Amino acid sequence: GAGVSQTPSNKVTEKGKYVELRCDPISGHTALYWYRQSLGQGPEFLIYFQGTGAADDSGLPNDRFFAVRPEGSVSTLKIQRTERGDSAVYLCASSPQGLASGELFFGEGSRLTVL
Amino acid sequence: DQQVKQNSPSLSVQEGRISILNCDYTNSMFDYFLWYKKYPAEGPTFLISISSIKDKNEDGRFTVFLNKSAKHLSLHIVPSQPGDSAVYFCAASAGGILNNAGNMLTFGGGTRLMVKP
Repeated sequence: GAGVSQTPSNKVTEKGKYVELRCDPISGHTALYWYRQSLGQGPEFLIYFQGTGAADDSGLPNDRFFAVRPEGSVSTLKIQRTERGDSAVYLCASSPQGLASGELFFGEGSRLTVL
Repeated sequence: DQQVKQNSPSLSVQEGRISILNCDYTNSMFDYFLWYKKYPAEGPTFLISISSIKDKNEDGRFTVFLNKSAKHLSLHIVPSQPGDSAVYFCAASAGGILNNAGNMLTFGGGTRLMVKP
């Protein structure tokens, strides 16, 4: 499809395991964002890429979280030594440069459950 | 420290009436505001936005009002329809829309709107 694609849609893992979440943005969108949404809360900013580089990673909660976008398209969010508090929906969004409306285009999210 | 707040977690409205969703912010650097709608198991979808140089923006049944002095914005939906039932998020951005600074949005906690037939 033409929208932002995220895989897996659901991931259940055990505490302490390593997890990767993938985001395929809309073709041609230079900016890519990762957000995290916990139950009953709004999306919380994690990291933003402009091209291949992380332009702002101030939202990453700690060094267990890392994201890459090696070719300026697909991005992977990596979580090491998962904890129960990491359980949330991880949302990816993309946008073209300088869109006047300020709109981000979101994927459907990857729901992570850490047991 | 929540910079964007939606103090009403839920709102119930009769079909055909007006829905008013409110949002307050604390960061005076915010200069662009957006509303997103979210259905269950879907990502948020953009609804309407407003720049801080305006106090009103209208798009069909949706109007956003901005009161900068009160750091308050609201979304009006009229007439409300059952299909409008969703969670609505207010979001704000500071100084990055039309330059290379990107668009890091700060979201409120959301308001669940229920429109009854």
